[in-house]
Amino acid sequence: DAKTTQPPSMDCAEGRAANLPCNHSTISGNEYVYWYRQIHSQGPQYIIHGLKNNETNEMASLIITEDRKSSTLILPHATLRDTAVYYCIVRAGGPGAQKLVFGQGTRLTINP
Amino acid sequence: GAGVSQSPRYKVAKRGQDVALRCDPISGHVSLFWYQQALGQGPEFLTYFQNEAQLDKSGLPSDRFFAERPEGSVSTLKIQRTQQEDSAVYLCASKERRGPSSYEQYFGPGTRLTVT
Repeated sequence: DAKTTQPPSMDCAEGRAANLPCNHSTISGNEYVYWYRQIHSQGPQYIIHGLKNNETNEMASLIITEDRKSSTLILPHATLRDTAVYYCIVRAGGPGAQKLVFGQGTRLTINP
Repeated sequence: GAGVSQSPRYKVAKRGQDVALRCDPISGHVSLFWYQQALGQGPEFLTYFQNEAQLDKSGLPSDRFFAERPEGSVSTLKIQRTQQEDSAVYLCASKERRGPSSYEQYFGPGTRLTVT
């Protein structure tokens, strides 16, 4: 699975959009980009995933560059409850693929 | 519906003791995973089951770690002769094999193991 690089920490004001970058320059054609987050003392929670098209769901948007070497997770209106560690994971295959390889993630702090 | 549950939530063991950590996956989920998360680090994969079959145990750090899922539902992670370096949060996750949610792993709250 491709290695990802994320900033160790970010801050964002409540109500503003939080944009979390992820570099995955060695991504292969069959590898998907997944985002999970982990709120303190809880297990990780799935947010969104994509292959090459931009994706949006009720939690976030995922923007993948045309060359697929980087992506950005966007939380459009951050709240205090979005404070968490966000993990960008690149993994081969689709729904049938198995283990997740987590990096260090980005610790996002939403400030009032 | 009920999510993934784990018990106990906290466990303190003296070095050398054996421990058993339990995971109850979401009903009907075929796939089950165990991860280990050291303080300040991301989770690391330990092992994977599909039904009762353990298909991947490449992440188990030593032969002191053993996992089972005998009836394809509840799973137990056993650590024998615990060492201080085993102190971590142990996370369990389950997943559908097929269907619209099959890309998503659902995690439990974890068991925090402290070895003294």
